[in-house]
Amino acid sequence: DAGVIQSPRHEVTEMGQEVTLRCKPISGHNSLFWYRQTMMRGLELLIYFNNNVPIDDSGMPEDRFSAKMPNASFSTLKIQPSEPRDSAVYFCASSLDRNRGKAFFGQGTRLTVV
Amino acid sequence: ILNVEQSPQSLHVQEGDSTNFTCSFPSSNFYALHWYRWETAKSPEALFVMTLNGDEKKKGRISATLNTKEGYSYLYIKGSQPEDSATYLCAFYTFKAAGNKLTFGGGTRVLVKP
Repeated sequence: DAGVIQSPRHEVTEMGQEVTLRCKPISGHNSLFWYRQTMMRGLELLIYFNNNVPIDDSGMPEDRFSAKMPNASFSTLKIQPSEPRDSAVYFCASSLDRNRGKAFFGQGTRLTVV
Repeated sequence: ILNVEQSPQSLHVQEGDSTNFTCSFPSSNFYALHWYRWETAKSPEALFVMTLNGDEKKKGRISATLNTKEGYSYLYIKGSQPEDSATYLCAFYTFKAAGNKLTFGGGTRVLVKP
């Protein structure tokens, strides 16, 4: 397996534009997590899915953020409209419950909103 | 809100010295405690997944212990080398009927000086 694949690796966009980050989890994993890395909060959990169902989105900062997982092999995190304070590295991770949730991370998407 | 606390936030270690740092977590709804190593410009990678009170895990010069009753884990690095420089994250994997959740601590940044 190629591991967790995120795209794009880097994204630079203007304030107000819509941004979509993509994640392909490891095949067979049943949980998917979206994290944001910031200086202030470290690795912050935004939302996670179990068996494609959103379980806890309490970490999503505001209504401008939304996430979907239409099937077991694909998830998106969308920011609309984007703001400069959204600039961060966004990580996707997937795991399997019977492996006690050992998480495998993608390479991250570095988002810069100017 | 799950509080997963790590201390110290950062530490400098002289090459060849040994060091350790802690992770504290809630003692309820425990499912597993993870340790990850996160090198700069890379994504976190799992070191250990620990499940039982009294567990001890070892990987090379790095080892970890677990106390689920009092809610803490220690990570030890023996004979630190410059390549051990990284941020070490612990994560608390908690059982939820709807889907298990992985919450990270803020990390301990280790810098090994030659």
